[in-house]
Amino acid sequence: DAMVIQNPRYQVTQFGKPVTLSCSQTLNHNVMYWYQQKSSQAPKLLFHYYDKDFNNEADTPDNFQSRRPNTSFCFLDIRSPGLGDAAMYLCATSRGNTETQYFGPGTRLLVL
Amino acid sequence: QKEVEQDPGPLSVPEGAIVSLNCTYSNSAFQYFMWYRQYSRKGPELLMYTYSSGNKEDGRFTAQVDKSSKYISLFIRDSQPSDSATYLCAMERSNDYKLSFGAGTTVTVRA
Repeated sequence: DAMVIQNPRYQVTQFGKPVTLSCSQTLNHNVMYWYQQKSSQAPKLLFHYYDKDFNNEADTPDNFQSRRPNTSFCFLDIRSPGLGDAAMYLCATSRGNTETQYFGPGTRLLVL
Repeated sequence: QKEVEQDPGPLSVPEGAIVSLNCTYSNSAFQYFMWYRQYSRKGPELLMYTYSSGNKEDGRFTAQVDKSSKYISLFIRDSQPSDSATYLCAMERSNDYKLSFGAGTTVTVRA
């Protein structure tokens, strides 16, 4: 089945230790998004790629970086995780502008 | 003021009841309206997608959009325990990739 896959589903890291979250898609969608969702809050867009064009949200901390080596994969790198970065990280894809976004199951990050 | 305001809940209803979920928005540039369902510790899944004022039905779900009042609703008829989840409204401007989400309403349907 075509889908959005996120690995790992749960990630535990130490304060300040870099961590990478992975997203892959079999939908062949042009756009890939990374969201941060904290408990009982709306998902917050961090950045998105339209093909290889990277778009960073103005309020996304510099601590968060992303890579998209090809159409299928997108990575979220957190260079120095702080306690406040503990959250669910959601990857989503869409075919393009105003098209439906399809979400992966999320990666829950815990920072110790 | 947030762009999208969603009734916070939580809601607890008996099985078979009608669930009514509501969002208001302030930006008239929003043209596309969605409802997502999110089970605990899972990603959101799209339930309904509309772009015009009026009602759209899909099984037990009805999405209602009133652009003049900047108000959208989701109704769940004959609610089931499996409908217990958090429901997120989301909106998108024309020619924009970004979704603006409400904070979500958690619904519990009691058997």
